[in-house]
Amino acid sequence: GAGVSQSPSNKVTEKGKDVELRCDPISGHTALYWYRQRLGQGLEFLIYFQGNSAPDKSGLPSDRFSAERTGESVSTLTIQRTQQEDSAVYLCASRFPPGLIYNEQFFGPGTRLTVL
Amino acid sequence: GENVEQHPSTLSVQEGDSAVIKCTYSDSASNYFPWYKQELGKRPQLIIDIRSNVGEKKDQRIAVTLNKTAKHFSLHITETQPEDSAVYFCAASVSGTASKLTFGTGTRLQVTL
Repeated sequence: GAGVSQSPSNKVTEKGKDVELRCDPISGHTALYWYRQRLGQGLEFLIYFQGNSAPDKSGLPSDRFSAERTGESVSTLTIQRTQQEDSAVYLCASRFPPGLIYNEQFFGPGTRLTVL
Repeated sequence: GENVEQHPSTLSVQEGDSAVIKCTYSDSASNYFPWYKQELGKRPQLIIDIRSNVGEKKDQRIAVTLNKTAKHFSLHITETQPEDSAVYFCAASVSGTASKLTFGTGTRLQVTL
């Protein structure tokens, strides 16, 4: 079956430009997460969506970062006025609703963002 | 919030030997502990997980142990093979809520011939 998909797979942008990254979760997965992974580093939590609840934005590093999700489907992560330190792989993950016994988060392939 | 520490950061073993990766967590409310494997340029994939109501779980050559009192858990890989070479991440979360995973910083495992 279809897994989590992300687009674009690679994005090169100039410093100061805005970028938009897209995530398509697995159908039926109401929970969606965004993570950032800098080169050679671990996964840094950014934001979490669960159904129609208010998102958990506690991991967003600055107000240049924002994310939206339409219902229980596609999510977009927007980075405004990109900086070189934003260069990283941005990973999206989805899972079944919290409370079920299946906790596994399924990751997408990521978007590699390079800010020149 | 939760803080997860992972050691070692790199680990090199010979094929056939065992590998052990250790993690500690800070939030005593955490009760779900997955391990993810990330091959070079690939997405993280779950390889095994454990919940706090058990102390050990095994799946073929992979096992995970959990010590709730000490707040640490470990990944054990026996009879390592070259295809085990990857970065391994431990994580912790409180199951049943947001289940926001807090990841360790990763261990790069290299299995040499």
